Order: sequence, then C-alpha cells, then structure tokens
Amino acid sequence: GIQVEQSPPDLILQEGANSTLRCNFSDSVNNLQWFHQNPWGQLINLFYIPSGTKQNGRLSATTVATERYSLLYISSSQTTDSGVYFCAVHNNNDMRFGAGTRLTVKP
Amino acid sequence: SQTIHQWPATLVQPVGSPLSLECTVEGTSNPNLYWYRQAAGRGLQLLFYSVGIGQISSEVPQNLSASRPQDRQFILSSKKLLLSDSGFYLCAWSYQGETEAFFGQGTRLTVV
Repeated sequence: GIQVEQSPPDLILQEGANSTLRCNFSDSVNNLQWFHQNPWGQLINLFYIPSGTKQNGRLSATTVATERYSLLYISSSQTTDSGVYFCAVHNNNDMRFGAGTRLTVKP
Repeated sequence: SQTIHQWPATLVQPVGSPLSLECTVEGTSNPNLYWYRQAAGRGLQLLFYSVGIGQISSEVPQNLSASRPQDRQFILSSKKLLLSDSGFYLCAWSYQGETEAFFGQGTRLTVV
C-alpha cells in the first residue's frame, strides 16, 4: 500500500517562531489532508489540499502532487499550536496517515 | 450540516469480554466510513473502511471485526478482547469519491 512519511518526528519551538512540516507519499494520491490532534485526542481538520496552496490565518499548506509531497507552514507559533500534526492521503477509497509530527511550542 | 457521533467516550473492559463500539453519521447519505486505532504516542492505523451497506474492507488481520448494518452506522466489534486491543479508536466519514474526511471524538479503550 501507499507509504506516508512525515518529518520531522518531533519539533520544539519558542513562541513566535515559524516552522515547516513535511509529508512525503510514495504513490499518486487523489486527495490529501492535514490534521491537528489536540490534547484530548480529537482530530481537527486543517486543510483539504489535493494540490496547490491554501492559507488559513497563520497556517498555510502546499501540495505538489507531481512530486509527491506536501508542506504545512506555521507562522508566529503559539503555545496552543502544540500537539501532533498528521497528514493523510486518499487512494483507492482508503485514507492512510503518516506517523505525525509532535510540535511543542514553549512560551 | 453533517455530524458524526461516536460512543462511548471511554471504556474499560476485562480481557476476554466482548466489545461493541458504534459510530453514526447524520446529515448525509451513502458516506464512506472508516475505523482507525491509535496506540499511545503512535500514529493512526486504518482498521476497516466501508463504501456501502454490508461492504467492509479489512486492512489488518486482528481480533476485531466491523459491520455496517445501516447506511450511516458503522460498528466495531470483538468477541474476546485482548490486552493489545487497548487504544484510542476513531471513526471517520467522507463523501464518496475520496473527499475530505471528518472524525468523531474517539473512544479510549483500556483492556485490563
């Protein structure tokens, strides 16, 4: 099946810093999503981004489907950004996740 | 609008007992439905997905089974729980055609 790799696995930032999270996938995909898992375990939809670039406040994402990667940018990070960020790809009706990036933002 | 309900939120079960977790979706019809498991500190593992009533695809051989008795109902079951079944179970739905997926609140299962 399709492989999804996220990097880095862990990231520690000072509040106010910027960061880039990466998602690589091994095969063509029909769609890609970014999620944030909050401390209670809930998965929050950040972006639905099969290709191109989207922005939502301090967050933006870019997917280059032809090169099989997606990037999530977090600017001016806040302590509330802490948690685990997952990308998930859709292929043949199933949806597979990367292992996630655990982000810790320190005040 | 569409909503997804998953219950219970937490569950503690003894080894060897049965399991039934239920997930229902409101506000849409014929959704794709998914069950995932997340072990502590780990990523999400796809367990089952369904594209229609009675159509279940299993991703991982295990002690669990899934059923879809109604269009918007997805049930995860086990006849006899193992310690290794402990984890965080998440249900999700999407429209047909691999569109954006939305998750329920999850069930935290502890097998003792």
